[in-house]
Amino acid sequence: DTAVSQTPKYLVTQMGNDKSIKCEQNLGHDTMYWYKQDSKKFLKIMFSYNNKELIINETVPNRFSPKSPDKAHLNLHINSLELGDSAVYFCASSQLRPPGYGYTFGSGTRLTVV
Amino acid sequence: SQQGEEDPQALSIQEGENATMNCSYKTSINNLQWYRQNSGRGLVHLILIRSNEREKHSGRLRVTLDTSKKSSSLLITASRAADTASYFCATEGETSGSRLTFGEGTQLTVNP
Repeated sequence: DTAVSQTPKYLVTQMGNDKSIKCEQNLGHDTMYWYKQDSKKFLKIMFSYNNKELIINETVPNRFSPKSPDKAHLNLHINSLELGDSAVYFCASSQLRPPGYGYTFGSGTRLTVV
Repeated sequence: SQQGEEDPQALSIQEGENATMNCSYKTSINNLQWYRQNSGRGLVHLILIRSNEREKHSGRLRVTLDTSKKSSSLLITASRAADTASYFCATEGETSGSRLTFGEGTQLTVNP
């Protein structure tokens, strides 16, 4: 069973469109994240939710809106897509309490905006 | 510059050799973690070392942590072609809340 699954794996879309990426974890973790990996492979956190509550919101354009319907799901909706949004987006989960355990990542969604 | 800088950026070795990757960071940490990423895949957690630990082993992996120098190293012994991947260090800070801050990664190529 996949621990952190995200869909779709690939997403090609035109500028200006709105798209969503879904993420689900079956590990019982209390915290979920969205990370963005750019073309140079640099990973940067975007959002973090703990038990459906937003706890980290980095400097991300408000075109990006995360939604956590329950602690096992964290979706990412992107409005008015721009060329610069092209990247690989990773969902991850971890157990915040107790601290000090590794994160489990999904396999990524490669978003290409044309 | 960024938290978690790594060197070298790229490392190419022969099968059977050892590979050493280094990571430096800037702020106080709760723990430091190493991840592997195969091409086109997600990140896989390899090992976590807490700020009060100095060395940790897991199979062919050995991680050291020097909090006075704010640096860590990952040693892979007796490397295999299957170890070819990007390796990232990531820190979980004392005050940064629940987040991992990643280094720039080292691309390791193990030639058969």
